[in-house]
Amino acid sequence: DVVLTQTPVSLLISLGGQASISCRSSQSLVHSNGNTYLHWYLQKPGQSPQLLIYQVSNRFSGIPDRFSGSGSGTDFTLKISRVEPEDLGVYYCLQRTHNPYTFGAGTKLELK
Amino acid sequence: QVQLQQSGAELVKPGTSVKLSCKASGYTFTSNHMNWIKQTTGQGLEWIGIINPGSGGTSYNVKFKGKATLTVDKSSSTAFMQLSSLTPEDSAVYYCALGWFAYWGQGTLVTVSS
Repeated sequence: DVVLTQTPVSLLISLGGQASISCRSSQSLVHSNGNTYLHWYLQKPGQSPQLLIYQVSNRFSGIPDRFSGSGSGTDFTLKISRVEPEDLGVYYCLQRTHNPYTFGAGTKLELK
Repeated sequence: QVQLQQSGAELVKPGTSVKLSCKASGYTFTSNHMNWIKQTTGQGLEWIGIINPGSGGTSYNVKFKGKATLTVDKSSSTAFMQLSSLTPEDSAVYYCALGWFAYWGQGTLVTVSS
């Protein structure tokens, strides 16, 4: 199975600050069709995960441009600028390139 | 708008089975695959499998083959997951999620205890 390693495990950020989360894959996530199926989710306390970024760098409907994704191959990054209170929670990466689909272990974003 | 409404919490005994449901609305049910995911504190998020509501075709994570069975009822736009031979390790929150996990149900808590 593909292992996704997220770092850091937790982040302490001030309101208005910037956060950066890494997701490294044990295998290339480039599909045979040329697409890279690496997505980012935020799970707020007591809620289901919500999609932020799909296929590395595409913001989902309604997601503010404070969220951005980048990367290729095996190394991916989610950046959150101007952190707001509603950004707090656990961030997960997910790969859908290889079966079985796998998730990272999560990065908890907390306020400093 | 897309909504996935999951069935309520279950308290079940070891060795039994349970069938969870996920009722979809706001889109054409047969046009998008449905995934099922397990979440525990210890193991995090695990993908169980996926079903094509149009054809009934399924693909499972090998880890959950024999444990989970995915089905759909097109007439009610509902996806189901049956979990069999339950043990305490099956205690978790189970989610359904649409397509490329763009939309998620609210989750169903399953507790396996005698």
